[in-house]
Amino acid sequence: GIQVEQSPPDLILQEGANSTLRCNFSDSVNNLQWFHQNPWGQLINLFYIPSGTKQNGRLSATTVATERYSLLYISSSQTTDSGVYFCAVVSGAGSYQLTFGKGTKLSVIP
Amino acid sequence: EPEVTQTPSHQVTQMGQEVILRCVPISNHLYFYWYRQILGQKVEFLVSFYNNEISEKSEIFDDQFSVERPDGSNFTLKIRSTKLEDSAMYFCASSEMSRVGIVFFGQGTRLTVV
Repeated sequence: GIQVEQSPPDLILQEGANSTLRCNFSDSVNNLQWFHQNPWGQLINLFYIPSGTKQNGRLSATTVATERYSLLYISSSQTTDSGVYFCAVVSGAGSYQLTFGKGTKLSVIP
Repeated sequence: EPEVTQTPSHQVTQMGQEVILRCVPISNHLYFYWYRQILGQKVEFLVSFYNNEISEKSEIFDDQFSVERPDGSNFTLKIRSTKLEDSAMYFCASSEMSRVGIVFFGQGTRLTVV
């Protein structure tokens, strides 16, 4: 099956700093989503981005499907950004199964 | 904003007991899913369900597991005889027909088997 690798595994930021999270995948994808898992365990949709670039406030994401990677940018980080960020992909004809990476654990300190 | 609702939020059960986890997907969604996350690990796919039947299932989804849509709004996951290793956060999710690639997750049910 498809492999999804996220880097870095852990990231500690000072409040106000910017960061880039990376997701590499081993095969072509039909779907790519970024999620934020908050400290209560809830998975929050950030982006649906199988290709191209999207922005939502301080967050933006870019997927280069031909090179099999996606980037999530967080600017002016806040303590509420803390949590785990997951990349998840769907690959294969007729499949809707999301395969998740192991996530990047982000800690934003005041 | 519509959301996927799961009950209960926490459940503790004894090994060998049956548990049923309940979910109300977003009302106009037609694809339903269960995922699980063992503490500290990544989220894993269990099963997808469409048109009252299983579309896909993973190796994890063995004969101990079953899913059902008992009425027009609920979607359930049953574990027949729980094991210690079934302890995990279980997420229900749904997506709509026209944008099946965009999956929305519920808040999860934390299952602890003792």
